[in-house]
Amino acid sequence: GDSVTQMEGPVTLSEEAFLTINCTYTATGYPSLFWYVQYPGEGLQLLLKATKADDKGSNKGFEATYRKETTSFHLEKGSVQVSDSAVYFCALRSSNDYKLSFGAGTTVTVRA
Amino acid sequence: ETGVTQTPRHLVMGMTNKKSLKCEQHLGHNAMYWYKQSAKKPLELMFVYSLEERVENNSVPSRFSPECPNSSHLFLHLHTLQPEDSALYLCASSQDNTVSYNEQFFGPGTRLTVL
Repeated sequence: GDSVTQMEGPVTLSEEAFLTINCTYTATGYPSLFWYVQYPGEGLQLLLKATKADDKGSNKGFEATYRKETTSFHLEKGSVQVSDSAVYFCALRSSNDYKLSFGAGTTVTVRA
Repeated sequence: ETGVTQTPRHLVMGMTNKKSLKCEQHLGHNAMYWYKQSAKKPLELMFVYSLEERVENNSVPSRFSPECPNSSHLFLHLHTLQPEDSALYLCASSQDNTVSYNEQFFGPGTRLTVL
């Protein structure tokens, strides 16, 4: 079945540091890939998405590229802020399925 | 604000209580979902409704009972829960069709504590 594996946290960074969260997936066909973010005390918000190979999703300074050859969708941000402290979830949705398969989440803490 | 609201935001209940969680979406979507988020576990899909018909029930215990009276509202009725049911319960909605399935929009969740 479909599955997502993302790097375990927690990750602690200083402000303006570079952030990478690795995400790899297993799926049949051509899934859509997502990154969701959950700020403290809130639900999940869609951060970015990519629906086909080589697509790059971007939002709020975050980027992720859909790499079919390595089945990866790593999240990156060049200069993090304290406000980026949150839990980040990688997820996939198969092309013929309504289900979202989530990774376990990575907790990121950015210190001033 | 994602357009999906959930009430209450926090709920504490005893094992013999009956309570209900409510979700409302203001996005005109045709599918709604209940997820359970427990500490250190991936999100667990509990129920899916598409066009108000239940299409998925991932073997959730019968002490959880969903209800979807229309495409904008979703309830989760709770009865004789166990302490291990304590978690964050998230509602989501999406606009889907036979050709494509789109991203899900999540509510803020209800933090449930079972004593």
